[in-house]
Amino acid sequence: NAGVMQNPRHLVRRRGQEARLRCSPMKGHSHVYWYRQLPEEGLKFMVYLQKENIIDESGMPKERFSAEFPKEGPSILRIQQVVRGDSAAYFCASSPWTGGATEAFFGQGTRLTVV
Amino acid sequence: KQEVTQIPAALSVPEGENLVLNCSFTDSAIYNLQWFRQDPGKGLTSLLLIQSSQREQTSGRLNASLDKSSGRSTLYIAASQPGDSATYLCAVANAGGTSYGKLTFGQGTILTVHP
Repeated sequence: NAGVMQNPRHLVRRRGQEARLRCSPMKGHSHVYWYRQLPEEGLKFMVYLQKENIIDESGMPKERFSAEFPKEGPSILRIQQVVRGDSAAYFCASSPWTGGATEAFFGQGTRLTVV
Repeated sequence: KQEVTQIPAALSVPEGENLVLNCSFTDSAIYNLQWFRQDPGKGLTSLLLIQSSQREQTSGRLNASLDKSSGRSTLYIAASQPGDSATYLCAVANAGGTSYGKLTFGQGTILTVHP
């Protein structure tokens, strides 16, 4: 059973371009969480999704950021018109969800660098 | 709003020492608490998960305790080794509302074990 798979591992974008980060949860997991780790800061929650639904996006910046988890395929975190301040490590976690008491499994992260 | 604090921010010890990392949280309405390890430039590895109804969990040289009423957890590492050098993160899964198990992280403790 493969773990949570994120790709790409490293992504370089010029200011103004779009960044697409992908996350494939563990087999059997239908709940996905995205977190961002800015340089010298802790991990911060961004968004929580179930298949085809955004449940909680309270940690997501209001502009330029969007997330989806379609019925088929990976979850996508999309950042439009990237700026230098978007440079960070973006982590995805998945869980099977049994009332919130289950362990979260994390991917290796995507390190985004905006030049 | 949940806040998680980890003390100390950094710790340097000689090999073989037993050590304790501390974590405190402000809202006791949690599903569980997880301790993670993060190596530089890498993802998060789950070390121990303590459910809100539990008092402690053990895995090898690691022991984690939870006192939910006082909002505290400790991670005890016995007979530390240089390979234990990493950043240790504490995270609580918030209960209630739309939280649905999203994690709030502490800033981490950077541990260095020198030979």
